[in-house]
Amino acid sequence: GDSVTQMEGPVTLSEEAFLTINCTYTATGYPSLFWYVQYPGEGLQLLLKATKADDKGSNKGFEATYRKETTSFHLEKGSVQVSDSAVYFCVIQGAQKLVFGQGTRLTINP
Amino acid sequence: DVKVTQSSRYLVKRTGEKVFLECVQDMDHENMFWYRQDPGLGLRLIYFSYDVKMKEKGDIPEGYSVSREKKERFSLILESASTNQTSMYLCASRLRDFLNPYEQYFGPGTRLTVT
Repeated sequence: GDSVTQMEGPVTLSEEAFLTINCTYTATGYPSLFWYVQYPGEGLQLLLKATKADDKGSNKGFEATYRKETTSFHLEKGSVQVSDSAVYFCVIQGAQKLVFGQGTRLTINP
Repeated sequence: DVKVTQSSRYLVKRTGEKVFLECVQDMDHENMFWYRQDPGLGLRLIYFSYDVKMKEKGDIPEGYSVSREKKERFSLILESASTNQTSMYLCASRLRDFLNPYEQYFGPGTRLTVT
């Protein structure tokens, strides 16, 4: 079945550091890909998405590119802030439902 | 803005109790979902509903049931709570929309502890 594997956390960085959170997936066909973010004490919210190969999703300085050849959707940000501390989920659209990675907890220190 | 609300942020129940978790959305979404979130496991789908009075089992439906009598409300029921159902429960809704077919909007979650 469909599955998502993302980088294990927790990840701790200093403010203004470069961020990469790796995500690879297994799926039939060409699913839509998403990154969701969960800030402390809140529900999940969509951060960015890509619906076809080579699409780049971007939002709030975060980017991820749909790489069909490597079945990957890595999340990147050039300069993280303390306010980016959260749990990040890589998600794919499976048959009828979303399939979530296990989540990566990110902590940014000032 | 879409708003998905859940009846409680924190809940403590005893083993064997019947537990009701309520979810309400205010954007006339057809689809609604219940997930549980556990560390290291991500989100796992318990049940979902395409529309009023419709329900489908997700990946882990055992020990749970659901009710969707009105479009805006989706209830998760733990018939006889057990300690292994201690978890964070998240509700989500989605518009059946061909432009944004799969974006789900989440509530803040209910952290349930069963003792």
